[in-house]
Amino acid sequence: QKEVEQNSGPLSVPEGAIASLNCTYSDRGSQSFFWYRQYSGKSPELIMFIYSNGDKEDGRFTAQLNKASQYVSLLIRDSQPSDSATYLCAVLESGYALNFGKGTSLLVTP
Amino acid sequence: DVKVTQSSRYLVKRTGEKVFLECVQDMDHENMFWYRQDPGLGLRLIYFSYDVKMKEKGDIPEGYSVSREKKERFSLILESASTNQTSMYLCASSFGHSQPQHFGDGTRLSIL
Repeated sequence: QKEVEQNSGPLSVPEGAIASLNCTYSDRGSQSFFWYRQYSGKSPELIMFIYSNGDKEDGRFTAQLNKASQYVSLLIRDSQPSDSATYLCAVLESGYALNFGKGTSLLVTP
Repeated sequence: DVKVTQSSRYLVKRTGEKVFLECVQDMDHENMFWYRQDPGLGLRLIYFSYDVKMKEKGDIPEGYSVSREKKERFSLILESASTNQTSMYLCASSFGHSQPQHFGDGTRLSIL
């Protein structure tokens, strides 16, 4: 199986700062990319999805995709303590199934 | 909003029991998925279905089976539960092949 890699963290940022979460993937044929947020003991919640190279913005969240570098990132502006969670990167490689990274733990400190 | 409903949040069963986990989605999604999530191992796909009565094995199908008799319902069956199947089980659904998957609340299953 192809790899989806994330730094496990924890990534600690002060409240109000920009949090930058990164993900690399190994399958060059991947076409669809997703970011999920998961609070402890809860199920994953879709935050963003991106299909094309470049940036996609939704409120405080921006997803960035660079297919040449096989790199996708999630920026969270004006980070809040409520953003503290594990962020999962998921890549659709082929077929129907998503390949998930193991997640990056984000801690936003007041 | 997409609603994916899993029948139980917490379940405790005995080894050797046959266990049924149910999942229902209300958005007429074609695709449905079963994952398990374990610390340090992340989310792993057990089975998925892209149509009624159709199923495909995921990465870890051993010890599991599935049933999809109706479009909205996807069941996961543990044929003979074992302690190594203690886990968080997550159901998801999606409308199309490349569309986002939406998750249910999960079932935390303990096998004693």
